[in-house]
Amino acid sequence: SQKIEQNSEALNIQEGKTATLTCNYTNYSPAYLQWYRQDPGRGPVFLLLIRENEKEKRKERLKVTFDTTLKQSLFHITASQPADSATYLCALRGMYSGGGADGLTFGKGTHLIIQP
Amino acid sequence: EPEVTQTPSHQVTQMGQEVILRCVPISNHLYFYWYRQILGQKVEFLVSFYNNEISEKSEIFDDQFSVERPDGSNFTLKIRSTKLEDSAMYFCASRKQRLSLRFNEQFFGPGTRLTVL
Repeated sequence: SQKIEQNSEALNIQEGKTATLTCNYTNYSPAYLQWYRQDPGRGPVFLLLIRENEKEKRKERLKVTFDTTLKQSLFHITASQPADSATYLCALRGMYSGGGADGLTFGKGTHLIIQP
Repeated sequence: EPEVTQTPSHQVTQMGQEVILRCVPISNHLYFYWYRQILGQKVEFLVSFYNNEISEKSEIFDDQFSVERPDGSNFTLKIRSTKLEDSAMYFCASRKQRLSLRFNEQFFGPGTRLTVL
């Protein structure tokens, strides 16, 4: 069955360092992969999308890589700040009954804590 | 900036009762979704809706669930006879018409916390 695994439940990083989060998947051949941020009690917020033919995507301090051979995406936050503390979710297009509207399957997320 | 809104923010109900959760998607979006998140667990897809019909649904979305777009703005999720295990945060999301992969991002609402007693 399809599975998305994210590297740990909690990741503690010192402010100013680079945080690297991992997303591994099995039994998927995704055309794209997305990363979302979720704060406690809130809905996910879209951050970045990377397509299968893209190796890397950047947005300000964020960088995502996508290796379809390893079936892995890495999400980097450079110059991390305490405000970056949140849960980061990896998401792929799911395979559901009906098809066509891109319902997402999410990983459980990595809880990132940036310490001042 | 336009956003998805959901009401109520918190709904408490007795087991076996019907509940309706309401969402107002972003106005020029055409794809609509419901997800749920049980406390401490991952976000799970329930159903997607396009052109006034269900496009996709997961195994969670059984006969107890239904969705409707009763007018041009609201999108609702009904649970006919709630169970204890339906207690979760329910998120509505919407997306633009897909012209290219650039528009695949989904915009999520703040959620409705459903508590079934």
